[in-house]
Amino acid sequence: GAVVSQHPSRVICKSGTSVKIECRSLDFQATTMFWYRQFPKQSLMLMATSNEGSKATYEQGVEKDKFLINHASLTLSTLTVASAHPEDSSFYICSASRTEGVKNIQYFGAGTRLSVL
Amino acid sequence: AQTVTQSQPEMSVQEAETVTLSCTYDTSESDYYLFWYKQPPSRQMILVIRQEAYKQQNATENRFSVNFQKAAKSFSLKISDSQLGDAAMYFCACGEYGNKLVFGAGTILRVKS
Repeated sequence: GAVVSQHPSRVICKSGTSVKIECRSLDFQATTMFWYRQFPKQSLMLMATSNEGSKATYEQGVEKDKFLINHASLTLSTLTVASAHPEDSSFYICSASRTEGVKNIQYFGAGTRLSVL
Repeated sequence: AQTVTQSQPEMSVQEAETVTLSCTYDTSESDYYLFWYKQPPSRQMILVIRQEAYKQQNATENRFSVNFQKAAKSFSLKISDSQLGDAAMYFCACGEYGNKLVFGAGTILRVKS
């Protein structure tokens, strides 16, 4: 159990294109999902917390108009990189929080590598 | 704010030997979790082990165990009988219940055959 699917795994696009990344919890409901960004050989940096049915909470320094998050259902959150530019090239990872007893544990998707030309 | 520090950028271990990865953290929360995640070359984040801060007993998962020193805010990971498949980047993370995780910078573990 606790499978999180992230799609697509790889995107190559031209500058100015908008890119949508999907994160799905396949076998559990996730009221909270998280979006991270990871540069090569670096740690994961939280971008935003996505709550079903409400607006996402963005971390300081993350442009909400650039990184649009929609958490439309208990199993799906999407991240749209609006008008992507080469500096947006990175590895994006989502996670979904599953309740296990009184605890909430994050399970991660496989990530999406975005390359903007 | 929470901070997590991994002071070892890279570690090496001989196959079948034991290695310990270090992690220190700081948090103002009284209830929190600590985690070790593994990220192999595929970049899929895999949960290795977790520890609830209120539990004194150190967590173990097969060959993986932790040394949790709450007063010292230390949370090291011990890998016994290291295998080639253990080679990966390991991240220590601290988080509140159901809330965001703060990750350390990571430690690259190389396993020599």
